Amino acid sequence: AQSVTQLGSHVSVSEGALVLLRCNYSSSVPPYLFWYVQYPNQGLQLLLKYTTGATLVKGINGFEAEFKKSETSFHLTKPSAHMSDAAEYFCAVSGAGGGNKLTFGTGTQLKVEL
Amino acid sequence: DADVTQTPRNRITKTGKRIMLECSQTKGHDRMYWYRQDPGLGLQLIYYSFDVKDINKGEISDGYSVSRQAQAKFSLSLESAIPNQTALYFCATSDSRFSNTGELFFGEGSRLTVL
Repeated sequence: AQSVTQLGSHVSVSEGALVLLRCNYSSSVPPYLFWYVQYPNQGLQLLLKYTTGATLVKGINGFEAEFKKSETSFHLTKPSAHMSDAAEYFCAVSGAGGGNKLTFGTGTQLKVEL
Repeated sequence: DADVTQTPRNRITKTGKRIMLECSQTKGHDRMYWYRQDPGLGLQLIYYSFDVKDINKGEISDGYSVSRQAQAKFSLSLESAIPNQTALYFCATSDSRFSNTGELFFGEGSRLTVL
């Protein structure tokens, strides 16, 4: 079984400030971890993913995430927020043998203020 | 044109009506999925299909059925719609060659309102 917990359904930051969106996972097998972004009235698109290898993963639009097995975490960060980052962000996990059946977290709505 | 196309994009219907949401893809992927999104609940898997002859129930399949008419087409049906099926529905695809490490490609969603 696998699950994802995203702490904070809404996060608000100032433009230029650090973005930190938290994700903790539970998986009985080595996890593959994903962050997706959903802009208003659009489908989800992949930001970044961790499968194996380097635990610090870089994605599109300046986002990155670090897989920490000891903390069962995969937090998403961006050094400097931009207005265009306002969107909903979803963390997801899949495990060996699960095909591409992702289990999604409940999402975090990011608001960027001037 | 979008790689994963959902129709209709918006639909309002009444309780008890039969509704079909359609999904077609031009990505050549073998795997297709239907998810439902509700505010505060994230995305929940309704059905998934790993090829034309392989269809499986997801977490919340009750009240839904699917048909994989071809590799590129996967439709979701609500035989008798009820108000708590009001939600945003997403179709997604993936390539089995990348198994667990591959990403899902989503359509733009179909917003269904059941009155």
